[in-house]
Amino acid sequence: KAGVTQTPRYLIKTRGQQVTLSCSPISGHRSVSWYQQTPGQGLQFLFEYFSETQRNKGNFPGRFSGRQFSNSRSEMNVSTLELGDSALYLCASSLVGIVNTEAFFGQGTRLTVV
Amino acid sequence: AQRVTQPEKLLSVFKGAPVELKCNYSYSGSPELFWYVQYSRQRLQLLLRHISRESIKGFTADLNKGETSFHLKKPFAQEEDSAMYYCALGTGSEKLVFGKGTKLTVNP
Repeated sequence: KAGVTQTPRYLIKTRGQQVTLSCSPISGHRSVSWYQQTPGQGLQFLFEYFSETQRNKGNFPGRFSGRQFSNSRSEMNVSTLELGDSALYLCASSLVGIVNTEAFFGQGTRLTVV
Repeated sequence: AQRVTQPEKLLSVFKGAPVELKCNYSYSGSPELFWYVQYSRQRLQLLLRHISRESIKGFTADLNKGETSFHLKKPFAQEEDSAMYYCALGTGSEKLVFGKGTKLTVNP
């Protein structure tokens, strides 16, 4: 079966711009989680969606937002980009949640803010 | 506060030697502990979780609530075990707190 697909794979944006990242989960999976990975902070939880509802949110500013569609695909948006937003953004899909069911990660979107 | 500590950023062993990757956590409730692995140019993937009590690729990990540890062990390391290993803590909600990771290198 197809794995988790994240698009685009690479992005270069300018400070102040906004960006939208997409995640298509494995068919049948209803939970999508987003994580930011940086060399300094490691993997940090952004938010988690289940059946179009945000169930959890990490400690990120309001510039970071997301949503999930009825087909379980998810998008995250970062507005007013800052240099510190440069990171690898990973999404993970699971049947009902990353703790209670096995999660599968995408390859990530590498965002560079210049 | 929920925290996961992996004290070794780098760990190097020889093929056939035992390996132990350390993980300590801080959480006042009932934890769910996981080990994730990322091989070179591959996706992050689940290696094992404490609740399943399985041995995956020869690796085992025992949850020690008294010492708040979940160390990953393998008696005889193989070159293909070289990878980045992340310990993760699941709390009451569907989110994971990850450690910073340990890069394991198994030398021939």
